[in-house]
Amino acid sequence: AQSVTQLDSHVSVSEGTPVLLRCNYSSSYSPSLFWYVQHPNKGLQLLLKYTSAATLVKGINGFEAEFKKSETSFHLTKPSAHMSDAAEYFCVVSGGAGFQKLVFGTGTRLLVSP
Amino acid sequence: DAGVTQSPTHLIKTRGQQVTLRCSPKSGHDTVSWYQQALGQGPQFIFQYYEEEERQRGNFPDRFSGHQFPNYSSELNVNALLLGDSALYLCASSLMAGTEQPQHFGDGTRLSIL
Repeated sequence: AQSVTQLDSHVSVSEGTPVLLRCNYSSSYSPSLFWYVQHPNKGLQLLLKYTSAATLVKGINGFEAEFKKSETSFHLTKPSAHMSDAAEYFCVVSGGAGFQKLVFGTGTRLLVSP
Repeated sequence: DAGVTQSPTHLIKTRGQQVTLRCSPKSGHDTVSWYQQALGQGPQFIFQYYEEEERQRGNFPDRFSGHQFPNYSSELNVNALLLGDSALYLCASSLMAGTEQPQHFGDGTRLSIL
């Protein structure tokens, strides 16, 4: 079975400082991993995806994530936070074996202060 | 290019009633998945439709059913509503071409059960 664990329920940063949101995964297959962002009262927007190509994945809005198989991690980073980055972030693993069922983590709320 | 559209945006029902939620996939997509997101939690997979058939199902009771039409749009039906069915219901569309295909989400339908 596939699962993800987001290690922090809340992360607080100041505008202009780096962002690190941590995610560990468990998968019986070679996983497809995603990060989605959800702003209040909105649906989910895809930030980036890993699908067994380059281990460093660049996404939208300056975010990137590194797939580390030895550590079963897929942490999300951004060099400099912006106020508009404040939102809920979900680490997601795909169901594997040809299935597209997405398994979500519990989410990390990113708070950005001026 | 229209993204995933869901209707209605908000809905209020009482216990025991039935509800139908609708979803139009992103242009060019042939697969629709439904997720339930309770307040403060990550989305949970309900089921997925492809070629007008339910292909996968999550851990949801038979009160939850769905349908996909020839134009790829989809409906989610919930019977005998319970208070615990109050949630944001998200529709996602994709191409049935493997786990690496990202799912695109609509803004959801907020269902409140009184």
